[in-house]
Amino acid sequence: KQEVTQIPAALSVPEGENLVLNCSFTDSAIYNLQWFRQDPGKGLTSLLLIQSSQREQTSGRLNASLDKSSGRSTLYIAASQPGDSATYLCAVRPRTSYDKVIFGPGTSLSVIP
Amino acid sequence: DTEVTQTPKHLVMGMTNKKSLKCEQHMGHRAMYWYKQKAKKPPELMFVYSYEKLSINESVPSRFSPECPNSSLLNLHLHALQPEDSALYLCASSQVLGDQPQHFGDGTRLSIL
Repeated sequence: KQEVTQIPAALSVPEGENLVLNCSFTDSAIYNLQWFRQDPGKGLTSLLLIQSSQREQTSGRLNASLDKSSGRSTLYIAASQPGDSATYLCAVRPRTSYDKVIFGPGTSLSVIP
Repeated sequence: DTEVTQTPKHLVMGMTNKKSLKCEQHMGHRAMYWYKQKAKKPPELMFVYSYEKLSINESVPSRFSPECPNSSLLNLHLHALQPEDSALYLCASSQVLGDQPQHFGDGTRLSIL
């Protein structure tokens, strides 16, 4: 059974710092991995989608990497801003259940001005 | 602003009430999803509709009854709910079943008295 974990559970950094969020999954048989952002009381916003054949994706200050063989992904945020404060979730689409995604528990990020 | 609209944003109901949650999208997506999210937890899949037909029911109690009257609308009918059903209910859609990314609404915050 696919399980997804995220470390750390919470993170507080001063504005301007570069930071890394980690996601691990137990079964490397995935179609893709996705990073989402969720603001308090809101829905999920897709940030980056990495296909299983890809190593990384970039969007602005965000860079996500995927090492499928080790079951790991990282989300790198450069020059963090207070507006980056949110919960970040990773989700994998397993090859054994193409129509579902398995979410990690999320990392709650606070960027202090 | 999200392209998936959910109403109401907040709902408080007693355990004997009957209410409905509504979700609407006009992106031409043919797959629609209901998720339940408890505080500080990841979303949990409840139901999936594909081309207006129920495709997945994740063993959800019968007090939750989904309905997809047309390709743009998804309802979740609620009856005789329990206090533990209090949560954020998220709707999402995608082009077709299994496609990503899923587009999420901002959710309905449900409280059961």
